[in-house]
Amino acid sequence: AQKVTQAQTEISVVEKEDVTLDCVYETRDTTYYLFWYKQPPSGELVFLIRRNSFDEQNEISGRYSWNFQKSTSSFNFTITASQVVDSAVYFCALSEAAGGSYIPTFGRGTSLIVHP
Amino acid sequence: EPEVTQTPSHQVTQMGQEVILRCVPISNHLYFYWYRQILGQKVEFLVSFYNNEISEKSEIFDDQFSVERPDGSNFTLKIRSTKLEDSAMYFCASSETPQGTGYEQYFGPGTRLTVT
Repeated sequence: AQKVTQAQTEISVVEKEDVTLDCVYETRDTTYYLFWYKQPPSGELVFLIRRNSFDEQNEISGRYSWNFQKSTSSFNFTITASQVVDSAVYFCALSEAAGGSYIPTFGRGTSLIVHP
Repeated sequence: EPEVTQTPSHQVTQMGQEVILRCVPISNHLYFYWYRQILGQKVEFLVSFYNNEISEKSEIFDDQFSVERPDGSNFTLKIRSTKLEDSAMYFCASSETPQGTGYEQYFGPGTRLTVT
């Protein structure tokens, strides 16, 4: 069974601070995908990144970066120089390839509040 | 950029009533999904649909739920007799394929269902 843990329920930072959102996952599958989604106050889900289990390269996209470490089953997300517009709930998700399902399991989300 | 659309954005209904939530997936996508998010909680998978039939469903998706693709563009979720606990945000998503590089699921903006 797959499981995603986002231990941080809420994080509060001041603008321009760096912040890291943690995601730890459990899976028995060797082939899987990891995702991050952003849910702003307006409620929609915005796709941020997908990573497959065979690609452990860290990724940077502007102020966003992701650190995938299979050894610790973690896929952490860092926002550099945070801005007020980054305030949202961020969800980490995992989907396994077993049985061809690929249906993602979401973590409970981390609410990020960036104060001006 | 193509996007998934959902109507209505907010639906209020009385307990026991039937509701139909509508979605228009991205036109060249073949796989369709419904998810549910109870307020303040994580996103939960309900059902996936391909080739005019359900390909996978969760325990949440019981007999009171049904999905349909009535024409070439719409994808609907029907709740036959709503209960208070059905109050949630319902997200529709679509993808080109369930796996590989086409796997990214594009989410709609959601329909907030309130059952009174």
